[in-house]
Amino acid sequence: DSGVTQTPKHLITATGQRVTLRCSPRSGDLSVYWYQQSLDQGLQFLIQYYNGEERAKGNILERFSAQQFPDLHSELNLSSLELGDSALYFCASSVEGDRHNEQFFGPGTRLTVL
Amino acid sequence: DQQVKQNSPSLSVQEGRISILNCDYTNSMFDYFLWYKKYPAEGPTFLISISSIKDKNEDGRFTVFLNKSAKHLSLHIVPSQPGDSAVYFCAAVSGTYKYIFGTGTRLKVLA
Repeated sequence: DSGVTQTPKHLITATGQRVTLRCSPRSGDLSVYWYQQSLDQGLQFLIQYYNGEERAKGNILERFSAQQFPDLHSELNLSSLELGDSALYFCASSVEGDRHNEQFFGPGTRLTVL
Repeated sequence: DQQVKQNSPSLSVQEGRISILNCDYTNSMFDYFLWYKKYPAEGPTFLISISSIKDKNEDGRFTVFLNKSAKHLSLHIVPSQPGDSAVYFCAAVSGTYKYIFGTGTRLKVLA
């Protein structure tokens, strides 16, 4: 158990809908990262937050947004969903946001868009 | 454009033998590399890392080798155990905070 929790575990929705994925980092970790893993793909970095502020952005679509709240939990919002958004979404956290800080991953949320 | 490539999607090795997982990268600005292991229905877990100022880092049965001139790194597992069966991802970092992951290699260790 990494200490990072993600809810829900599974999500099934329809095209055009909007969903919110939630992540609680390990106790004491200030940085949260979001990744997308599509079928047979590596983990694609989406976005990083550090202590409530956006720190780095990857290949995140404009239909996706995220935020980190004062209690350090984070939410990833996916809107106008398309079939291609079906994937595993992972959240990770680290003590700070330095690249040398090990990232601890949650178990992921599996999103299925029908 | 895939900056980090793991060209072998799968690998099978006998228990007790060496497992060698390979990773190639294209961006010479990458200066920190990591290996993560992932079991089904779990998130990836950190295994071992190496800075570009080194060419080898060891941690128990796991050794990572870095060949900067070839832009190649490899993970050696000796001896391999059935519990090592998992998907292994390499990742690279440049001056930014972004990790760039490869597509993974599924290792199966046969008892």
